[in-house]
Amino acid sequence: NAGVTQTPKFRILKIGQSMTLQCAQDMNHNYMYWYRQDPGMGLKLIYYSVGAGITDKGEVPNGYNVSRSTTEDFPLRLELAAPSQTSVYFCASSFGENTIYFGEGSWLTVV
Amino acid sequence: GESVGLHLPTLSVQEGDNSIINCAYSNSASDYFIWYKQESGKGPQFIIDIRSNMDKRQGQRVTVLLNKTVKHLSLQIAATQPGDSAVYFCAENMRNYGQNFVFGPGTRLSVLP
Repeated sequence: NAGVTQTPKFRILKIGQSMTLQCAQDMNHNYMYWYRQDPGMGLKLIYYSVGAGITDKGEVPNGYNVSRSTTEDFPLRLELAAPSQTSVYFCASSFGENTIYFGEGSWLTVV
Repeated sequence: GESVGLHLPTLSVQEGDNSIINCAYSNSASDYFIWYKQESGKGPQFIIDIRSNMDKRQGQRVTVLLNKTVKHLSLQIAATQPGDSAVYFCAENMRNYGQNFVFGPGTRLSVLP
């Protein structure tokens, strides 16, 4: 049982490039989330999904897109990367509105 | 759970002493709270949770206290060890569909030898 798995761990992007952060969970959780964490700040919700085929914007969705074609996978797409998107990204999952379990994070730098 | 900027509050304790980390939450309607531990370079790790129908919950070496009157949570760590050094933050369930949890910025716990 691997929990929540994110890839890549580290990535450097140039301004204007695009990329996808991959996330998979093997706990059969219906809810999945993407958060970003900036230094000294609390986690900010980017997008979330309450089940396959359903996605909704969180607090800071601009510049990102998501899809949820299966229960297990929830990729986060960055289009036209900007320096403001330099951050640590965490994928997470939960069974309903219960404990959220996090992946190990993806460190993204946009230069 | 408002941001406190780039510098997290820091708590320094001697190894073997007890630690108390505090958190103020924002919504009186929140009914579920979680404490997480985050080590450098890693994802947040669940420590303990508590529901609003309880005032206290104990785990292994950890205790969470909930004071709903003043909207305050605390995490007590007994006999603090070097491996406890990390950032600790609380999360409250705002019961807002999928946007349910709000996370505080955290407190950095530093354990001195």
